[in-house]
Amino acid sequence: GENVEQHPSTLSVQEGDSAVIKCTYSDSASNYFPWYKQELGKGPQLIIDIRSNVGEKKDQRIAVTLNKTAKHFSLHITETQPEDSAVYFCAASSGNNNAGNMLTFGGGTRLMVKP
Amino acid sequence: NAGVMQNPRHLVRRRGQEARLRCSPMKGHSHVYWYRQLPEEGLKFMVYLQKENIIDESGMPKERFSAEFPKEGPSILRIQQVVRGDSAAYFCASSPDRAFAGELFFGEGSRLTVL
Repeated sequence: GENVEQHPSTLSVQEGDSAVIKCTYSDSASNYFPWYKQELGKGPQLIIDIRSNVGEKKDQRIAVTLNKTAKHFSLHITETQPEDSAVYFCAASSGNNNAGNMLTFGGGTRLMVKP
Repeated sequence: NAGVMQNPRHLVRRRGQEARLRCSPMKGHSHVYWYRQLPEEGLKFMVYLQKENIIDESGMPKERFSAEFPKEGPSILRIQQVVRGDSAAYFCASSPDRAFAGELFFGEGSRLTVL
């Protein structure tokens, strides 16, 4: 089955700096890679996703890159703000018809943005 | 359009009791997924259901755990004879009526504490 590794487990940055979180996956059939943000006591919320037919996607201060050959993808947050502080999860899915959209998650990264 | 609704949000049980967690998917969604999150850890897949069918239960412990998604009413995750190790946050997610739909929409979770 799929295995997703995520690094670092904690990340502390100064407000205004950039943050980068990296993930690797094992199943070459995976073709959908979402990133979720989880605030304390809440459920995960999708912030950006990328499919295997593109290498990069950007949405305002957030961007995700995908390298299918190396089987890794990264989340980039620029101009970080204190409200970006949360736990971020990467995930991967092969999305075949039998498995629906079953996601395998990384272990999470606790991002702390210091004012 | 209400999101994924989970209840109860918090549940306290003594060892040996039963826990029932309920999940109502978003309107129009017929795919439901249950994930478990241990403290300071990532989300682990448990089970994927469609109406009246268990599609994939490969992440569900073989004993004491069961799940259903009846034709009418919410999906239920049932844990019999709970033990301290069952203490965790249990998240439900749903996706639309397509075999591969992209985003999973998560509820706020049910936090089970076993005394």
